[in-house]
Amino acid sequence: GQQVMQIPQYQHVQEGEDFTTYCNSSTTLSNIQWYKQRPGGHPVFLIQLVKSGEVKKQKRLTFQFGEAKKNSSLHITATQTTDVGTYFCAGWTSGTYKYIFGTGTRLKVLA
Amino acid sequence: DVKVTQSSRYLVKRTGEKVFLECVQDMDHENMFWYRQDPGLGLRLIYFSYDVKMKEKGDIPEGYSVSREKKERFSLILESASTNQTSMYLCASSLDSGGAGFTDTQYFGPGTRLTVL
Repeated sequence: GQQVMQIPQYQHVQEGEDFTTYCNSSTTLSNIQWYKQRPGGHPVFLIQLVKSGEVKKQKRLTFQFGEAKKNSSLHITATQTTDVGTYFCAGWTSGTYKYIFGTGTRLKVLA
Repeated sequence: DVKVTQSSRYLVKRTGEKVFLECVQDMDHENMFWYRQDPGLGLRLIYFSYDVKMKEKGDIPEGYSVSREKKERFSLILESASTNQTSMYLCASSLDSGGAGFTDTQYFGPGTRLTVL
């Protein structure tokens, strides 16, 4: 079936280091959305990318949507302890209108 | 701010019981969703609704049904709860901006952690 895999599954970084999570879909996506879920919390929307090759920035976070609209990445520069949580990508598949969440990347930032 | 509320944060039920999970949103959103979240599996869509009395199956609808009698309320029903339905259940809603499919941001409720004994 249609899948959206994220790598890595877990990442531990020292505070101040950079972090990147990659999202790979088995099918073309009409858009991609990124969410952050703090421990014990619920997913909170971060950003949406729609265009092929689109890049968006939010302070220390940089989001990219691949040219083929099948992959995406989230890069955090100089991580802080407040970045701790699980980051999910999600998107609507083109044509079939299935909304699929990625498997998530759990980030732990060590002070 | 959009507010999505769920009837319970924690729920414990016995195998075979009928279970109702309620979700209410206060922003007049057309679309509402039910997910379950399990470790290592991420969020999986159970059902969604794009209008009152309308529903569509998601990826894992087996063992579940839904009801949407009013625009602001979307209920998830476990007809006969089983232990493999122990999970975190998350409700979400989104606005329908029209003509773009379901591309709008989803706003999530706090979740209901259901344990079936």
